[in-house]
Amino acid sequence: DGGITQSPKYLFRKEGQNVTLSCEQNLNHDAMYWYRQDPGQGLRLIYYSQIVNDFQKGDIAEGYSVSREKKESFPLTVTSAQKNPTAFYLCASSKDRVDNQPQHFGDGTRLSIL
Amino acid sequence: GIQVEQSPPDLILQEGANSTLRCNFSDSVNNLQWFHQNPWGQLINLFYIPSGTKQNGRLSATTVATERYSLLYISSSQTTDSGVYFCAGVYGNNRLAFGKGNQVVVIP
Repeated sequence: DGGITQSPKYLFRKEGQNVTLSCEQNLNHDAMYWYRQDPGQGLRLIYYSQIVNDFQKGDIAEGYSVSREKKESFPLTVTSAQKNPTAFYLCASSKDRVDNQPQHFGDGTRLSIL
Repeated sequence: GIQVEQSPPDLILQEGANSTLRCNFSDSVNNLQWFHQNPWGQLINLFYIPSGTKQNGRLSATTVATERYSLLYISSSQTTDSGVYFCAGVYGNNRLAFGKGNQVVVIP
């Protein structure tokens, strides 16, 4: 099946620890995105990538890092510098960066601090 | 950035009732997406609608780009319609600006 796969579904982090969230897509989409959702809130853009080996900061990039070494993969690392990492993280992709391509979302990863 | 306001924030419906959700955006957008987030957190695309009206079953959406708003209509609501509805304005390099959502509960 074509789609976007995020793993794991649930993740627990200890204080001071970096963790990496996985996002893989087999839709042959060029653009990929990471969003954060807090309870009762809409989604906020963390990072996005329009092409392999290139990515840009979104609205809340501090404390996060990404890489885009392969077209199908866009992992997000939540670093120890992110002081409030507990949230629901959603990955999305679109065919390209042109403004007439809808974004499609994975099922998300819930990150909690131990 | 673009600000998106959704109303009403919370809505309780009797099964079979109709409802309208509204999305206002602060500046011009290139396109507009409506999503439904189910209780498990999955975000489902409903409509991609820069202007005009689209229908999909019991749901329809209308965007009036010149007046910077969009409406989502739910007709003959069912309990499976419960969840949070988000609208998002598309701007820049296909970036999305989300509203805070409309929490809808449909009771039998």
